[in-house]
Amino acid sequence: KQEVTQIPAALSVPEGENLVLNCSFTDSAIYNLQWFRQDPGKGLTSLLLIQSSQREQTSGRLNASLDKSSGRSTLYIAASQPGDSATYLCAVRASGGYNKLIFGAGTRLAVHP
Amino acid sequence: EAQVTQNPRYLITVTGKKLTVTCSQNMNHEYMSWYRQDPGLGLRQIYYSMNVEVTDKGDVPEGYKVSRKEKRNFPLILESPSPNQTSLYFCASSLFRESETQYFGPGTRLLVL
Repeated sequence: KQEVTQIPAALSVPEGENLVLNCSFTDSAIYNLQWFRQDPGKGLTSLLLIQSSQREQTSGRLNASLDKSSGRSTLYIAASQPGDSATYLCAVRASGGYNKLIFGAGTRLAVHP
Repeated sequence: EAQVTQNPRYLITVTGKKLTVTCSQNMNHEYMSWYRQDPGLGLRQIYYSMNVEVTDKGDVPEGYKVSRKEKRNFPLILESPSPNQTSLYFCASSLFRESETQYFGPGTRLLVL
């Protein structure tokens, strides 16, 4: 059974720091992996989608990597800003899962000025 | 604007009183699903639908029903709500392709007394 774990559960950093959020999954048979952002009272916003054949994706200050063989993904946020404060969720789409996403519990990030 | 909408956004009810949470998308997506989010557990899939009149159970379907009579709508029905169904609910939709990202609604926060 696929399980997704995110470490750390919470993170507080000063503005300007580069930071790394970690995601691990137990079954390497995945179609893709997504990173989402969740703001309080709002839905999930997709940040980056990495297909199983890809190693990384970049969008602005965000870079996500995928190592399928080791069951790991990292989300790198460069030059963090207070507006980056949110909960970040990692989700894998398992093979044969009919678009079902399996989520980690999230990393709650606080960036203070 | 492409979006997934849910109503109501907030709901307080009592045990046993039937309720429906509506979900609608305007992107002509085949695939729709419902998730619930609970602290420390991440998001878990309740039900999904691959197209009109095609629905199936996710990981936590007990106590819920769904229907898919039209492509754009996918209501979640709680026929006899119980306190353990107090949660944050999300509807999601996507094209039915491996490479597609999923779009999430803003969430419905339900409290069952």
